[in-house]
Amino acid sequence: AQTVTQSQPEMSVQEAETVTLSCTYDTSESDYYLFWYKQPPSRQMILVIRQEAYKQQNATENRFSVNFQKAAKSFSLKISDSQLGDAAMYFCAYRSLSGADGLTFGKGTHLIIQP
Amino acid sequence: DAGITQSPRHKVTETGTPVTLRCHQTENHRYMYWYRQDPGHGLRLIHYSYGVKDTDKGEVSDGYSVSRSKTEDFLLTLESATSSQTSVYFCAISPTGGSGNTIYFGEGSWLTVV
Repeated sequence: AQTVTQSQPEMSVQEAETVTLSCTYDTSESDYYLFWYKQPPSRQMILVIRQEAYKQQNATENRFSVNFQKAAKSFSLKISDSQLGDAAMYFCAYRSLSGADGLTFGKGTHLIIQP
Repeated sequence: DAGITQSPRHKVTETGTPVTLRCHQTENHRYMYWYRQDPGHGLRLIHYSYGVKDTDKGEVSDGYSVSRSKTEDFLLTLESATSSQTSVYFCAISPTGGSGNTIYFGEGSWLTVV
C-alpha cells in the first residue's frame, strides 16, 4: 500500500515571500500521479497542481510549482509571492496508475500567511 | 464547480440511529468515492464505486455500507451511528480510474453523532 507523509503540521510565511511545503511518499509502482489540494476554512477541496510521474518536467501553475524528485520519492510544493488567500490546509495526495481506489492523502500542512 | 451535490450538508443524530448521506453528480463520471476527514488524519477512503452496483471497500469501511443503483447517485449508510463516526464526509468523482484525471470533491457533509 502507498503512504504519503507531510512532515510539517504547520508552516508560517510572510505575505509576498516564498514558502515550500514538503511531501514524501512510498510506493513500489513506477507510474503514478501526485497532487496538491488546498482546503480553505470553507473546507472545499481545491486542486492546486498535479504531476505525472513519467514526466520529468516539474509542473507549474501560476505562483505554484512543484519539485518532483522521483528517485527520492519527494514532491514539494513551492508557493511564490504568498498572498493572504493562500492561507489554508494543503494536502499532498497519491494516485496509482490504475487509480480505481482513488487518492491516498497525507495528513496535511496548515499554512499561515503573516500580513 | 464539478457538479457534485451532497445531502444533507449538516446533520446531528443520536447514537444507534441509521444515517444515509447522498452524493449526486451531474457529470456522468464512472468513479465515485466517499472519504471522511478527521483532525490529524487527513482524508481517508471509506468506500468507492467503479460503476452501477460495483463497489469496494476502502481503508476505513467498518460500520459503513454503500449503494449505487444509478450512475449519478452514491449513497453512504451508517447502519447504527456511533460517536466515532462524527466527522466531515466528502464525496468525490472521477471520469476514469486509470488516466490520472483529477478527482473532484463535493462540499462536504458535517455529521455529529451524540
